[in-house]
Amino acid sequence: EAQVTQNPRYLITVTGKKLTVTCSQNMNHEYMSWYRQDPGLGLRQIYYSMNVEVTDKGDVPEGYKVSRKEKRNFPLILESPSPNQTSLYFCASSLSRTGVNIQYFGAGTRLSVL
Amino acid sequence: ILNVEQSPQSLHVQEGDSTNFTCSFPSSNFYALHWYRWETAKSPEALFVMTLNGDEKKKGRISATLNTKEGYSYLYIKGSQPEDSATYLCAFYAGRYSSASKIIFGSGTRLSIRP
Repeated sequence: EAQVTQNPRYLITVTGKKLTVTCSQNMNHEYMSWYRQDPGLGLRQIYYSMNVEVTDKGDVPEGYKVSRKEKRNFPLILESPSPNQTSLYFCASSLSRTGVNIQYFGAGTRLSVL
Repeated sequence: ILNVEQSPQSLHVQEGDSTNFTCSFPSSNFYALHWYRWETAKSPEALFVMTLNGDEKKKGRISATLNTKEGYSYLYIKGSQPEDSATYLCAFYAGRYSSASKIIFGSGTRLSIRP
């Protein structure tokens, strides 16, 4: 079954404690992306990756890091989380960034930073 | 600054009624428009990919139209059912040539169907 798997689904942490949210897809997609969703706002892109070892900033990259060492995995790293990073995070993948390919989304990770 | 707006923000519709809502986007640098359906506690799922002015797509009771010259897309639901209750998101792809330079999501229209 084609899917994007995110872990964990829920996470409560404290300010400054490094954390990683994992994302894995089994569709051999080249393009992967991280979004955050906050009330009243649309999904905002944090980082994206066009392929292995190719990553770029989205609209709200501050405070986040990513890596793409393998095609299937695209972890999101918060080196020093702060309360303003409390949000719902989605990982997504698609064949490419051309716009003709739909994005497949993970189930989401709800993060609370105290 | 590229802005994508969806209206209305929320909508309450009686079961059986038809409804529609709008996604407005910049008319310049259009590359593609996606519609996604997002049920509570689930992941967004793609409904339509629209790339050409005048595109009309249909999936069951749901259909969508696209006007790139004036910068809007409509999503229609015919004969609403309780299972249609969800947030409907549009995503505007801006760019040219082989790939989109930017993807911007609207904040969604939250649809509730009253039995």
